[in-house]
Parts: sequence; C-alpha cells; structure tokens
Amino acid sequence: GAGVSQSPSNKVTEKGKDVELRCDPISGHTALYWYRQSLGQGLEFLIYFQGNSAPDKSGLPSDRFSAERTGGSVSTLTIQRTQQEDSAVYLCASSLAEGVGQPQHFGDGTRLSIL
Amino acid sequence: AQKVTQAQTEISVVEKEDVTLDCVYETRDTTYYLFWYKQPPSGELVFLIRRNSFDEQNEISGRYSWNFQKSTSSFNFTITASQVVDSAVYFCALSEKKSSGDKLTFGTGTRLAVRP
Repeated sequence: GAGVSQSPSNKVTEKGKDVELRCDPISGHTALYWYRQSLGQGLEFLIYFQGNSAPDKSGLPSDRFSAERTGGSVSTLTIQRTQQEDSAVYLCASSLAEGVGQPQHFGDGTRLSIL
Repeated sequence: AQKVTQAQTEISVVEKEDVTLDCVYETRDTTYYLFWYKQPPSGELVFLIRRNSFDEQNEISGRYSWNFQKSTSSFNFTITASQVVDSAVYFCALSEKKSSGDKLTFGTGTRLAVRP
C-alpha cells in the first residue's frame, strides 16, 4: 500500500495475555520506529529498526516488550503478560533513511485496551 | 537530553482568525531537526514540515507558516485564516542526528479547535 499499515486497528484483551501488533512500512523505507501514545505519557519512543537490526531499544518500558523485524520490512511488537498500564495507542512510523532528519510517516496505530 | 515544550494545551478560535502555536525546544547538539505533525480526530499523525538547525529561513505553505528562531530555541507555527478542518492536535517534535536513528522527541501537543 501507499502508507504505513498497522494491524489490528483495535485490540481488547484481558490482563495477563500476550498481544502481537503488526506494522507494514512504506515500501523501500529502511528505518522503522515504534512509538506509544497514552494520556499520561504523551508520545513516547519505544524502539528503532534499521533494516532488521534494532540499534536503539532504549524506549522499551520493560522486558515484557519485544520487537522484531524480518526481511527489512514487516515488524511486530509483542507485549507479554499485559498490564493495564499497557493500554495505549501504539504507532509505527517509517522513513527512507536514518540519521539525516528524514520525515517519519506514521500509520493509523493500534489502540490497545487491557481489561 | 532533548526536550520539547508546547505550553498551550488547548486553543479555541473562531473560523478565519489567525492562530499561532508555540514550540520551544532544548538540545545540546548543533545539528538537529524540528518537525510539526498534525493529528486530526481520525488519529493518524500527518507530517507537515521539517527544518534543520542550519536553516533559519521562515517558510510559508498556503495558510501555514513557520518561524524558526535559534536565538530563542523556538519553532512556532501560524495558521492564517483558520478553518474548521484545521481542528486537530498539533505536535512539535525534535530529532537529533545520531548514529542510532532519528527518534523523535515530541511535545505534549496543542489541541486546536476552530469554531464555525
């Protein structure tokens, strides 16, 4: 597609369950970013990928969060043993390159609700 | 550490009024980039503009204009003759040129409501 695609758009799950969020970046974009948007914390950086490697995982809030990217394209963000404080909108963005101020283009996000 | 401050939480104007959204940033780097994004009610963050730290020229795009002043570490955004469709949350963001990517530091956003 033309833009960044994220799925699911909405996810409701019970506390303690694992969830997997998917991001399909714009074709040809080598840099991929995950952010989280929540009422209390605003927009926070989670993790950055260049190709399949993740040079910067500094934003992951705990070891329950992990992410991978395969084939330099699709990325999945996994949250294990979800907690209520994980409820937020998870946004994925991609850009042509890294380190040169390229604009990041965002998907519509996945709204995660933990009951 | 870098920081972005958008002191205006909410602004409400009547259609056709001009409105300026303020953004102040902090960084220790000499090379950095500033961005504005729009988040309409639909939720998607839409890129509006990028500025690098060496380019202080103001920019105008239709009804939108941006004023970048390094001396005051500000990157303000003005909408002229506002329209209802301009209603959204606007985020200012900063990225620094690092080897590990362009992660963005966002301000808390300004919610703009344009009333007909």
